[in-house]
Amino acid sequence: AQSVTQLDSQVPVFEEAPVELRCNYSSSVSVYLFWYVQYPNQGLQLLLKYLSGSTLVESINGFEAEFNKSQTSFHLRKPSVHISDTAEYFCAVSESTGGFKTIFGAGTRLFVKA
Amino acid sequence: DTAVSQTPKYLVTQMGNDKSIKCEQNLGHDTMYWYKQDSKKFLKIMFSYNNKELIINETVPNRFSPKSPDKAHLNLHINSLELGDSAVYFCASSRRAGGKETQYFGPGTRLLVL
Repeated sequence: AQSVTQLDSQVPVFEEAPVELRCNYSSSVSVYLFWYVQYPNQGLQLLLKYLSGSTLVESINGFEAEFNKSQTSFHLRKPSVHISDTAEYFCAVSESTGGFKTIFGAGTRLFVKA
Repeated sequence: DTAVSQTPKYLVTQMGNDKSIKCEQNLGHDTMYWYKQDSKKFLKIMFSYNNKELIINETVPNRFSPKSPDKAHLNLHINSLELGDSAVYFCASSRRAGGKETQYFGPGTRLLVL
């Protein structure tokens, strides 16, 4: 069965600084990987996902994540954060072999300070 | 034009009561889910239906019973509420079942059991 670990529960960062949110997964088969974002008092929204092909995926608001199979990682990065990026970020993994379940990490709270 | 809606948004009730949470999606999706998010933001799948058929049934107390009257609706009924049931419950939907599908989340129902 798949699992996912988000190594940091909280990441404080100053506005316009770069940020990396770490995610590692475990699975015995090929996986699909997702980052979802949850703003306060809202449901989760997809930020970006890796299904196949290019290992670098990007979102429309400047985030990117790279699938690294050898390190079983899918870290999320942004070169310059804004106050509005303050939210909870969830990494998620599902297996490619017909499973229906997506497993979510425990979340990383990104707090952007002025 | 809300994609995934849940009612009620807030639910405060006494221990031992029975309550229901309703979910509706207008995206034309085949698959719907219920998740529980605890106070530490950990998100856990509870149930999933595909075309009104139960496909994920995680280890949850049998006091929780999902019902899908049609593809657009998935309701959650909880009997004999306990303090530990206090959490945010999220409904989600996806176009079809399968690990590569993006899930679209509702705004959540905040349940507080006193």
